Amino acid sequence: AQSVAQPEDQVNVAEGNPLTVKCTYSVSGNPYLFWYVQYPNRGLQFLLKYITGDNLVKGSYGFEAEFNKSQTSFHLKKPSALVSDSALYFCAVRDKGTGGFKTIFGAGTRLFVKA
Amino acid sequence: DTGVSQNPRHKITKRGQNVTFRCDPISEHNRLYWYRQTLGQGPEFLTYFQNEAQLEKSRLLSDRFSAERPKGSFSTLEIQRTEQGDSAMYLCASSSEGTVETQYFGPGTRLLVL
Repeated sequence: AQSVAQPEDQVNVAEGNPLTVKCTYSVSGNPYLFWYVQYPNRGLQFLLKYITGDNLVKGSYGFEAEFNKSQTSFHLKKPSALVSDSALYFCAVRDKGTGGFKTIFGAGTRLFVKA
Repeated sequence: DTGVSQNPRHKITKRGQNVTFRCDPISEHNRLYWYRQTLGQGPEFLTYFQNEAQLEKSRLLSDRFSAERPKGSFSTLEIQRTEQGDSAMYLCASSSEGTVETQYFGPGTRLLVL
């Protein structure tokens, strides 16, 4: 069965510092991996996805994520955090092997960036 | 591209009543998804349509839940005999056909069952 774990409920970082939001996954086959962001009173917005190829994926707003197959991780990173990055971040996985379209989301990590 | 829209945005109902939500996807998107999100959790997959065909359903989707997409455009999600445990945010997403398409989410319908 597919699953996603976001081990931190909350991440606090100072503006200008690098940030990391952690995600680990479990699928029976190879994964498609996604990061979404949710701002207050707004729908989920796509940030980036890993399909295949280069393990480092670059996405919107300066975010990137690194796929690590041996550690089954897909951590979200940004070199320099902005106050406006404060939001709820969701990691998601889809099992490439099943051929289905069911996407499993993690419980979310709230990011607070202090000025 | 006006984005995915959902109506109503909020719904308060009494236990035992039926409710229906509507989702209008991005016009050229032939794939449509419904999710449920409760406080402190990520979205949970409910069902998936490709055009008018409902191709996947989660076991979360009990007999009281039914979804349709009659002409492959808008979709409705109906909950019959609502229970307090149905209180949640119901999210709709759409995507275009492709190998690993990006899902675009609507703002959601927040349901409160009293």
